[in-house]
Amino acid sequence: QKEVEQNSGPLSVPEGAIASLNCTYSDRGSQSFFWYRQYSGKSPELIMSIYSNGDKEDGRFTAQLNKASQYVSLLIRDSQPSDSATYLCAVGENFNKFYFGSGTKLNVKP
Amino acid sequence: EAQVTQNPRYLITVTGKKLTVTCSQNMNHEYMSWYRQDPGLGLRQIYYSMNVEVTDKGDVPEGYKVSRKEKRNFPLILESPSPNQTSLYFCASSPTWREKLFFGSGTQLSVL
Repeated sequence: QKEVEQNSGPLSVPEGAIASLNCTYSDRGSQSFFWYRQYSGKSPELIMSIYSNGDKEDGRFTAQLNKASQYVSLLIRDSQPSDSATYLCAVGENFNKFYFGSGTKLNVKP
Repeated sequence: EAQVTQNPRYLITVTGKKLTVTCSQNMNHEYMSWYRQDPGLGLRQIYYSMNVEVTDKGDVPEGYKVSRKEKRNFPLILESPSPNQTSLYFCASSPTWREKLFFGSGTQLSVL
């Protein structure tokens, strides 16, 4: 059984702080890695995708991938109340199957 | 507007009554898939389709069927729904398997 593990939270950070979200995965053959944001009652939307080891930055968001440790993270700088949502880690393997973590709920306090 | 359209948004049914949840995308995407989302379990893949010729099981296919007769449509069929299929269902599409998924707005299904 492929597994993608996330801390369910909630993770509470003050406005303007850095939020750090973590994800581990069990399949060493995983090829692609994604972070989705899901507001309550809404569908997931992509925040970041990353395919190779290292960091990838997009605005206030940075995704980090370490395949040797089977670990992927998402950093949100200058967190805003509008960032309050559940963040889903997704891992793609065998070119067609995706596995999602159960999500980490982030609360950004004004 | 580019989108994935799911219908219905809410559905209440009884055990054993066949139902179909429709999914249509207008982005000419090759890849389509279905997920169910349950509290504490996250999104789990039910079926996926690489293109109109290739459809295969995801992680939790039992009790579900799909059909990909044309590129834009990918309906999910529950021939004999049971209460354990009560869940929030999402259809998604993507240009290819490596790219981001575009999700539909979801279907909340309750099987009594």
